[in-house]
Amino acid sequence: DIVMTQSPASLAVSLGERAAINCKSSQSVFSTSNNKNFLGWYQQRAGQPPKVLIYWASIRGSGVPDRFSGSGSGTDFNLTISSLQAEDVAVYYCQQYLGTPQTFGQGTKVEIK
Amino acid sequence: EVQLVESGGGFIQPGGSLRLTCAASGFTFKDAWMTWVRQAPGKGLEWVGRIRSKADGGTTDYAAPVKGRFTISKDDSENTMYLQMDSLRTEDTAVYYCCSNTDCLYWGQGTLVTVSS
Repeated sequence: DIVMTQSPASLAVSLGERAAINCKSSQSVFSTSNNKNFLGWYQQRAGQPPKVLIYWASIRGSGVPDRFSGSGSGTDFNLTISSLQAEDVAVYYCQQYLGTPQTFGQGTKVEIK
Repeated sequence: EVQLVESGGGFIQPGGSLRLTCAASGFTFKDAWMTWVRQAPGKGLEWVGRIRSKADGGTTDYAAPVKGRFTISKDDSENTMYLQMDSLRTEDTAVYYCCSNTDCLYWGQGTLVTVSS
């Protein structure tokens, strides 16, 4: 199984400041068949279902604000929130969907400092 | 607008069976792979399994903890996916979500399954 490791487990950031989350996979999730990284980022606010933020490692989902960006390739990925807003308080997960089983990171809790 | 609506959750004793339903609308369901994900109380997300579109074989994959006990199926005429859960265990207690394709671009609201004696 591909193990997804997120860091940090939690972080507190001031409003308007930058937040960055890292996700490392135990094997590459880049596919040469379509030249894409099979990596998604999801946001889960308290009491809500998850929502996609980023797919194919760097493409923002529909309606996702441009302060969210995804980067990285192979085994090392990042989710960056350029200017944290109050509504961004949530748990963030990465998921690889190249291998079977698909696997999620353990989650990163983002709070306001 | 894409909508996914899960139903069928509830309280069940260990060893029992339950069938969850995911009703889909707003996209071409027959062409979609579909996925189930669960979340135990206070825990992270866990992939349960997926089903490919009929054009891609209609086959299924499962996570090790549910393999042999859970079965995913898809009725393209009804735009509905099912999760048949047999031999339920207390550790299957979770909110079960369906999501579209393997990249989970869209999620339902989830349905709670509680397995307890």
